[in-house]
Amino acid sequence: GAVVSQHPSWVICKSGTSVKIECRSLDFQATTMFWYRQFPKQSLMLMATSNEGSKATYEQGVEKDKFLINHASLTLSTLTVTSAHPEDSSFYICSARGDRGPGNTIYFGEGSWLTVV
Amino acid sequence: KQEVTQIPAALSVPEGENLVLNCSFTDSAIYNLQWFRQDPGKGLTSLLLIQSSQREQTSGRLNASLDKSSGRSTLYIAASQPGDSATYLCAFASNTGNQFYFGTGTSLTVIP
Repeated sequence: GAVVSQHPSWVICKSGTSVKIECRSLDFQATTMFWYRQFPKQSLMLMATSNEGSKATYEQGVEKDKFLINHASLTLSTLTVTSAHPEDSSFYICSARGDRGPGNTIYFGEGSWLTVV
Repeated sequence: KQEVTQIPAALSVPEGENLVLNCSFTDSAIYNLQWFRQDPGKGLTSLLLIQSSQREQTSGRLNASLDKSSGRSTLYIAASQPGDSATYLCAFASNTGNQFYFGTGTSLTVIP
């Protein structure tokens, strides 16, 4: 079946630095990718939607200058957390809408745990 | 906006017991739903996907049902095992199929 891969699975970074998370569709072309985050004891919340070759659409309350999303190809989207702070520590997960599966099913990556110290 | 509620928040059962996890949603205009498993400190694993036109899906000891009229989905786990211990999340895709709305999860502990 379709696979969406995220890298890294775990990352620890120092406060003030930037960290990049990659989301790849391994065996299909992803025209649209989505980024979610999950704070402790809360549900996953959509951060932004990105379409290949265009700017991402951010949900209300998500700072676009802090969470940079690039969807430069049909198989890769990246989320860069700039000037990370401890409150950005969270579980980030991407999903991708492909060109296969019933109704162009959306497939989820396994997620990335970010800890900012 | 879709609201998703999972009850109970936590559940502890002895090994071998059959159990049901519940998920309710407010907007019946859904595209599909998925049940996920999340182990502590790890990512999501998709368990079952039910399209809007379907009523249930089965995979091994797992069975998920969808009742749009009542706004409910259930995940049935048969003959539970300690390895089933994890947090289970349900998520509904909006009618455009794009955005997913997640519940807060049910934390399951299966006691040997």
